[in-house]
Amino acid sequence: GQNIDQPTEMTATEGAIVQINCTYQTSGFNGLFWYQQHAGEAPTFLSYNVLDGLEEKGRFSSFLSRSKGYSYLLLKELQMKDSASYLCAGLDSNYQLIWGAGTKLIIKP
Amino acid sequence: IAGITQAPTSQILAAGRRMTLRCTQDMRHNAMYWYRQDLGLGLRLIHYSNTAGTTGKGEVPDGYSVSRANTDDFPLTLASAVPSQTSVYFCASSDRGGASVDEQFFGPGTRLTVL
Repeated sequence: GQNIDQPTEMTATEGAIVQINCTYQTSGFNGLFWYQQHAGEAPTFLSYNVLDGLEEKGRFSSFLSRSKGYSYLLLKELQMKDSASYLCAGLDSNYQLIWGAGTKLIIKP
Repeated sequence: IAGITQAPTSQILAAGRRMTLRCTQDMRHNAMYWYRQDLGLGLRLIHYSNTAGTTGKGEVPDGYSVSRANTDDFPLTLASAVPSQTSVYFCASSDRGGASVDEQFFGPGTRLTVL
């Protein structure tokens, strides 16, 4: 079956670094997405990885290891506005996204 | 219009009633999707359309139907609503096969309560 696993909730301190892990199992693989979703709002695109390695985009970076079925999202210099849920999603062989339940990130001052 | 719009924003519906959730995009994306999001669960695909005139079933299609008469509109119909269909519904679109990474753009959502 297809499955995306990520922690339910994480807590971090403003200004610190946090890493949100995601493991995936999909029928075929066409890439791994990370989305951010603030409470009561729609998900918005953060990053896409299809090759192994690290993709950096400002304070956010995303890493992929296809052999391990593993990805992480790294958030640096945390700000209060980063409090949100972070959704990991794998793109399967039919180009359908398989979504994790999301990781709720709580930032404390 | 810029992006994707959904209507209504929220709705309370009696069980057994018919309801259509509307979704319109102005980005000329070929692919569109309907998801439901429930607490503790990931987004679950209800139906999708890869191009105007075609539709497909997702993970949880029972009790729902869709149509795609043109590129811009992708309505979702609940023929006879049941309480288990209480959820937040998101419409999304993507430029499948285009130059982008096929990221999906989401509408603001419709919060539906079936009593």
